[in-house]
Amino acid sequence: AQSVTQLGSHVSVSEGALVLLRCNYSSSVPPYLFWYVQYPNQGLQLLLKYTSAATLVKGINGFEAEFKKSETSFHLTKPSAHMRDAAEYFCAVSGPNTGNQFYFGTGTSLTVIP
Amino acid sequence: KAGVTQTPRYLIKTRGQQVTLSCSPISGHRSVSWYQQTPGQGLQFLFEYFSETQRNKGNFPGRFSGRQFSNSRSEMNVSTLELGDSALYLCASSFLAGLGDEQYFGPGTRLTVT
Repeated sequence: AQSVTQLGSHVSVSEGALVLLRCNYSSSVPPYLFWYVQYPNQGLQLLLKYTSAATLVKGINGFEAEFKKSETSFHLTKPSAHMRDAAEYFCAVSGPNTGNQFYFGTGTSLTVIP
Repeated sequence: KAGVTQTPRYLIKTRGQQVTLSCSPISGHRSVSWYQQTPGQGLQFLFEYFSETQRNKGNFPGRFSGRQFSNSRSEMNVSTLELGDSALYLCASSFLAGLGDEQYFGPGTRLTVT
């Protein structure tokens, strides 16, 4: 079975500070990994995805994530937080054993303090 | 290219009634997945349709059903509504539903059961 764990349901950072949102996956086979963002009253928007082409993945809005197989992690980072980054962030995994079925983490709510 | 659309955006129903939600995927996308999102349970997978066939199904009671039409549009039906069915229902589409394909989400239908 595949699953993801997002450590920290709430993260607060100051504007301009580093953003680090944690995601660990559980899979016996290297999976496909995704980060999505959800703004209030909206659907999910894809930030970036990992599909084994490169371990460091760059996404939209200045976000990037690094796949670390040894740590089974796919943490999301952004060097400098903006107020507009305040939202809910979801890590998701899919893999060879699940077809296109996605498994989502429980989400991390990011607050940016001015 | 138009994104995933969902209708209606908001719905209020009474316990015991049934409801049908509609999803139009991005043009050319053949896979449609449905998710239920609640504050307590997060994002839960309902089912996925590909070329009019249900390919994956989550752990929901039989009151939840769906279908997909030849133009890839999908509907989701919930019969005998319960208070606990109040949630944001999200639809997501992907191109070929191949491994690693990202999902694109609609804005969701907010269902309130009273």
